[in-house]
Amino acid sequence: GQNIDQPTEMTATEGAIVQINCTYQTSGFNGLFWYQQHAGEAPTFLSYNVLDGLEEKGRFSSFLSRSKGYSYLLLKELQMKDSASYLCAVNNAGNMLTFGGGTRLMVKP
Amino acid sequence: DVKVTQSSRYLVKRTGEKVFLECVQDMDHENMFWYRQDPGLGLRLIYFSYDVKMKEKGDIPEGYSVSREKKERFSLILESASTNQTSMYLCASSLKTGGAETQYFGPGTRLLVL
Repeated sequence: GQNIDQPTEMTATEGAIVQINCTYQTSGFNGLFWYQQHAGEAPTFLSYNVLDGLEEKGRFSSFLSRSKGYSYLLLKELQMKDSASYLCAVNNAGNMLTFGGGTRLMVKP
Repeated sequence: DVKVTQSSRYLVKRTGEKVFLECVQDMDHENMFWYRQDPGLGLRLIYFSYDVKMKEKGDIPEGYSVSREKKERFSLILESASTNQTSMYLCASSLKTGGAETQYFGPGTRLLVL
């Protein structure tokens, strides 16, 4: 079966750093995606990891450890506009994705 | 700029009605997907299609059907709407390759079944 876990909610302060974790147990693995979804809007692509290690993209970085079934999304210099849900998704077969429940991040002044 | 559009942002229907949700993409993508999104459950795949007239069941196909008559259009059909189908419905599309491809999402349709 497929199981992807991430915290339901997190709160952080503007200007700080926050790490959103995602653990997965899937029957196959062909890469892991992170999406951002603002309330009432479509999810938008943030990052993709298929090899172990850290991928950095501006204020956002994503890390993957395939042996541990673990990923995290790191957001630096938090801004109010970063308040959103962050979705972890595993590509386990073909072009299909299995999503976690999403982490709702609230950034406070 | 990639574009996935859905026919309605909000929809209110009555139990037993037949409901059509339309999705159109302009990126010439082979793959198209229908998900529903519920609090605490994340996105769950209902159906997907990898080519015209082709469809595959996802994790929760019961109570739904789909139609893909043209490459750019993928329709989700609720044959007889029920209250437990009240949800946010998201359409997505992607290229079809041998590896993982980014899925691009539409803005969603929030469906309320009374």
